[in-house]
Amino acid sequence: NAGVTQTPKFRVLKTGQSMTLLCAQDMNHEYMYWYRQDPGMGLRLIHYSVGEGTTAKGEVPDGYNVSRLKKQNFLLGLESAAPSQTSVYFCASSRRVSDSPLHFGNGTRLTVT
Amino acid sequence: SQKIEQNSEALNIQEGKTATLTCNYTNYSPAYLQWYRQDPGRGPVFLLLIRENEKEKRKERLKVTFDTTLKQSLFHITASQPADSATYLCALDTGRRALTFGSGTRLQVQP
Repeated sequence: NAGVTQTPKFRVLKTGQSMTLLCAQDMNHEYMYWYRQDPGMGLRLIHYSVGEGTTAKGEVPDGYNVSRLKKQNFLLGLESAAPSQTSVYFCASSRRVSDSPLHFGNGTRLTVT
Repeated sequence: SQKIEQNSEALNIQEGKTATLTCNYTNYSPAYLQWYRQDPGRGPVFLLLIRENEKEKRKERLKVTFDTTLKQSLFHITASQPADSATYLCALDTGRRALTFGSGTRLQVQP
């Protein structure tokens, strides 16, 4: 089992460019999440999904869009990147149980210049 | 406002000692709390879960306590080893279908 796989691992964008981060999980988990991690601020929830075809906003959703067309994939899009979006992005998944642990990928380090 | 606080300063201890990390929260009444370990360049890895009706949970050298009156969880690593050096994150159920994380405490175990 690969668990949660994120692509790409690193990316540099210029301000205004767009990109999509891909997250794939092979554990048949219902829930999927996108977090960003910045120094001193911990993990902050961007968007999440409780099932195929559903998405919901988290704590810091502005500037991001997501899609969950297939149960195993959760895409995070940046339509017009800004330097404030320089961060490490983590995807996670969990079972459909309220206290189920999150399984994380190893992150995408994004720099916006 | 709602807040989860972990000591932002690194905790340095000698090998063999017990490390104790603190997670304090305000304005939440979580049904459970989870602890994760994060190594540099990697995603967090789940360690332990403790529910509001549990005072203490153990797993090998790890122990977690949960005091809902003090709004505090303590995370202990006994007989610490250099391999325990990492950042440890607490995460709370805050009523939405996703966890809210603290900013983590970096633990450095000196040989």
